[in-house]
Amino acid sequence: DAGVIQSPRHEVTEMGQEVTLRCKPISGHDYLFWYRQTMMRGLELLIYFNNNVPIDDSGMPEDRFSAKMPNASFSTLKIQPSEPRDSAVYFCASSLLIINTGELFFGEGSRLTVL
Amino acid sequence: QKEVEQNSGPLSVPEGAIASLNCTYSDRGSQSFFWYRQYSGKSPELIMFIYSNGDKEDGRFTAQLNKASQYVSLLIRDSQPSDSATYLCAVRRSNDYKLSFGAGTTVTVRA
Repeated sequence: DAGVIQSPRHEVTEMGQEVTLRCKPISGHDYLFWYRQTMMRGLELLIYFNNNVPIDDSGMPEDRFSAKMPNASFSTLKIQPSEPRDSAVYFCASSLLIINTGELFFGEGSRLTVL
Repeated sequence: QKEVEQNSGPLSVPEGAIASLNCTYSDRGSQSFFWYRQYSGKSPELIMFIYSNGDKEDGRFTAQLNKASQYVSLLIRDSQPSDSATYLCAVRRSNDYKLSFGAGTTVTVRA
């Protein structure tokens, strides 16, 4: 059974460019989370969705960040324009409420470097 | 005050010893507590969860929860080199489904 799939795995871009990160959650999962991890700030929740609806986006740093989930099998996190301080590993994770263990299944992450 | 705080690392233990990891949380409404392990360059994976006060054992791992003290711990018995990783404490509040993570404690098990 496929896990959470993220793309791209690595992205190097220049300041000011648009970055789009993609995520395919585990089939049947009803929650999807976007996290960002840096050495300085650790693992921070950016936004999460329930049944494709954004529930809490209070962690989104600023208007340059946006996330969408047009259907149950796909989500995007967009940064426009990108800045060097956005350099981090971005994780997508999915979960199934009915299991109720709170386990998040993480993708392998997208490592973003903004020059 | 951070929502979830972990004892600063790194923690170095000899093979076969007990590694003890601590975590405190600020929100008394927190109901569920988790320990994730993250190997270098990899994504976090769940190793333990605990909801009730007391101890919960799973193989060489024991999670301990004290809600009155707002304290969670993880013990790794008979530590192995394969246990070398960063351990993340995570907390979920009762009225919310998101997990808040601590900064993590890096454990190195010396052979």
